[in-house]
Amino acid sequence: QVQVVQSGDEVKKPGASVKVSCKTSGYKFSSYGITWVRQAPGQGPKWMGWISGYNGDTHYDQKFQGRVTMTTETFTNTAYMELTNLRSDDTAIYYCARASVLVRGGPFDYWGQGTLVTVSP
Amino acid sequence: QSVLTQPPSASGTPGQRVTISCSGSNSNIESNYVYWYQQLPGTAPKLLIQRNNQRPSGVPDRISGSKSGTSASLAISGLRSEDEADYYCAVWDDNLNGYVFGTGTKVTVL
Repeated sequence: QVQVVQSGDEVKKPGASVKVSCKTSGYKFSSYGITWVRQAPGQGPKWMGWISGYNGDTHYDQKFQGRVTMTTETFTNTAYMELTNLRSDDTAIYYCARASVLVRGGPFDYWGQGTLVTVSP
Repeated sequence: QSVLTQPPSASGTPGQRVTISCSGSNSNIESNYVYWYQQLPGTAPKLLIQRNNQRPSGVPDRISGSKSGTSASLAISGLRSEDEADYYCAVWDDNLNGYVFGTGTKVTVL
């Protein structure tokens, strides 16, 4: 069965970076993509971007361009999302989810449990 | 704020039918597939409807989705207490060149 497991919660200081991992199993990693979504406290989800499990192509939301890097490690079926220059308004739960192999191609059908990133002085 | 507008709340008694709207534009809903997600408190979103009106395996047939022009709807019939959750529409936006989520609707079972 498909499983998506994220790394643990993080506490960071403003200006620092955070790297969240997303380990998948139960499907062919190269046939899908991974999308990242964040949700600030009391807010709705916000799409951050997508990475292809096939060739590592990425597509980032304009809001995060220049601060976010998404990568994959195909031999462990793991995706990573790194966000730099953290600010207090980056405090949120970060989710990864399985997505289509095409950036605009399909649903986010299996989700990780979420990783809480808290940015505090 | 989001380019997809949903009513902030909806409610019904057990057994009733509740409908949630998602209003967008020709750059998102009219041109692309709509997806619906359910989020129970403290959990990750769960896919309810894909490609406007298709239910993934395991989603009961009392849940349905539809789309017309620049709007989409999610209907929950035979309302149950476990349907109390937040519901979000999501769609690719051609102008923003990315996915957008709706403002969200909190469903309460009275």
